[in-house]
Parts: sequence; structure tokens; C-alpha cells
Amino acid sequence: QSALTQPRSVSGSPGQSVTISCTGTSSDVGVYNYVSWYQQYPGKVPKLMIYDVNKRPSGVPDRFSGSKSGNTASLTISGLQTEDEADYYCCSYAGTYTWVFGEGTKVTVL
Amino acid sequence: EVQVVESGGGLVQPGGSLRLSCSASGFIFSTYWMHWVRQAPGKGLVWVSHINNDGSYTTYADSVQGRFTMSRDNAKNKAYLQMNSLRAEDTAVYYCVRGDSHWFSNWGQGALVTVSS
Repeated sequence: QSALTQPRSVSGSPGQSVTISCTGTSSDVGVYNYVSWYQQYPGKVPKLMIYDVNKRPSGVPDRFSGSKSGNTASLTISGLQTEDEADYYCCSYAGTYTWVFGEGTKVTVL
Repeated sequence: EVQVVESGGGLVQPGGSLRLSCSASGFIFSTYWMHWVRQAPGKGLVWVSHINNDGSYTTYADSVQGRFTMSRDNAKNKAYLQMNSLRAEDTAVYYCVRGDSHWFSNWGQGALVTVSS
């Protein structure tokens, strides 16, 4: 149950696109299409942004998108806005009813 | 409105025990899996445990296996996390979370557990 690997931080200017990678193994990300992404502001509760690799819950802006290739999943924020500055965590189902989160990525809007 | 509210957090000595409770409302509790996810101060999210909808099956992270026990009472719309043999590294905010298939849809505000002498 090792944490999924995410970059510690990414940054971009308003209007730009940023992509956060989430690297797992052939036992989690690589074998299940059950990757989800969560946004968390400091001191606040995490919020679901993407589920099942690329599906957006209602109310989440369409500038957030998800994808997966092999053992790596990605979250892309297009048209970056100041309110997107937050921590982002990926999560993958890891089999036998266990889950594993990523280490977290801080997104900074320059 | 879906609501999940944790209670029971606090300060406990190393080796001690604590039970967290999670009260749910706004959805048919007995049809959903429930989870506990924790976050140590300044650190990331860590999945801790899961319970199926009728309470007959539970799973745990390796770090808490054998020390923590998750249960639920569908008649009371509540889930619980019994934590024994607590260690300093268990210090964290513990979130009760409703599971939808394989993602975490609704999070409580969290309960702070501090393990310290």
C-alpha cells in the first residue's frame, strides 16, 4: 500500500493549462479504471473533482479533466483560474476493497 | 442534503483507545459503503478503512490492521471506528466518507485525534 507518486507542486499563470501526474503500479492505477481526484483548500474538506478516471460530478467546471495511460493517471486544469490554487490528491482502487491516495500536489497560480 | 458528521475525537495517551462515531443523514445509509480517511497535520490523505453496506465485510490499511475496527449500525445511521493501541503516528484528522462505487463522494468535517503523553 505505497502512496501513489505525484509531483510536489505545479504552477501556471491564469488562463494556462497545468497537468498533474499520478503514478502507481500494475496493481492499482494500471489495472483499474477507478482513479479519482480531490481538491482541498487549506483547512478545508476534500472535494471530489473526477471519478472513474475521467468523469466529472455535476457542478465541477469542465476545465477539469482526467485521463490515464498505463500506470499513470493525469488531471489537467485548462484555463487556470485563481480559485484553482489548492492541493490535489489522486486516489486509486487497489483491489480487495482497499484504496491508495497520492502524496498530493500543490497547484500555484502565478 | 447529504451530511456526514464525525464525533469522538480528542487527546489520548500512547497505547490508549478511542472510538470515533459518524452520523449520516440525507441518504439511505444502509445502501452505501462507508470509509474512514485520515490526514496527519501538514500531510496528505490516507485511506484507513472501509465497511460494506450491511456491515458484514471490512478492510483496513496495513498501518492500522489489527488495531482498528470499523463497524456500523444501519438502524441508527451511524458508523464507528474503534481505535486501540494508539501510536503517535496515528495523530490526524479522521474523515468519515460516503463511498460511491470506488470513489469518495461526501466527506465529513473531520475529527481530530491527538496521541500524546
